[in-house]
Amino acid sequence: QKEVEQDPGPLSVPEGAIVSLNCTYSNSAFQYFMWYRQYSRKGPELLMYTYSSGNKEDGRFTAQVDKSSKYISLFIRDSQPSDSATYLCAMSADSGYSTLTFGKGTMLLVSP
Amino acid sequence: DAGITQSPRYKITETGRQVTLMCHQTWSHSYMFWYRQDLGHGLRLIYYSAAADITDKGEVPDGYVVSRSKTENFPLTLESATRSQTSVYFCASSEPQGSMNTEAFFGQGTRLTVV
Repeated sequence: QKEVEQDPGPLSVPEGAIVSLNCTYSNSAFQYFMWYRQYSRKGPELLMYTYSSGNKEDGRFTAQVDKSSKYISLFIRDSQPSDSATYLCAMSADSGYSTLTFGKGTMLLVSP
Repeated sequence: DAGITQSPRYKITETGRQVTLMCHQTWSHSYMFWYRQDLGHGLRLIYYSAAADITDKGEVPDGYVVSRSKTENFPLTLESATRSQTSVYFCASSEPQGSMNTEAFFGQGTRLTVV
């Protein structure tokens, strides 16, 4: 079993839909959780960064962490065609990027 | 231009050849990283560096060599390229703030094909 599991998709939704992207993990020591967005043929860019459990909101994006279930989610409200990208979850047991473990990424397609 | 740049963007090389991928950042970030991204595997860390002259192995270091003589540069060398090293390579940099590491900034990637 991989440490971080993420459905590769693609996930296709109409514009304006609420999108839910998820990752599960097995390492209970993970406490730093991130979501990266990667457009085609570009490098990943950080979208959300959370520590431990709870919710974090930034505009149309909400990140949730449920450490008891080892489950993290990214919600996108009022999705736009410009949100079409691959979303990578990443997590680590400490604050150092040397130990960051990435999911394989979920491709999201938002149609106008 | 400020940022992190990788060169070349695309490279085709033959099996057994030595190849060097370049990475340059203008922020003077302490940390720099090399990842490879493959279908079915996601992003995997090859090597990272916490400062000039300090490097350490990541998850998949075999077949790769790195050096960091200057803070801003972090070249990755494939000593004898193999087809399994065909991949997209990303360089990244970050600057820790206290006990928390901050955002890692990724380059545009180098698409390497080994034939």
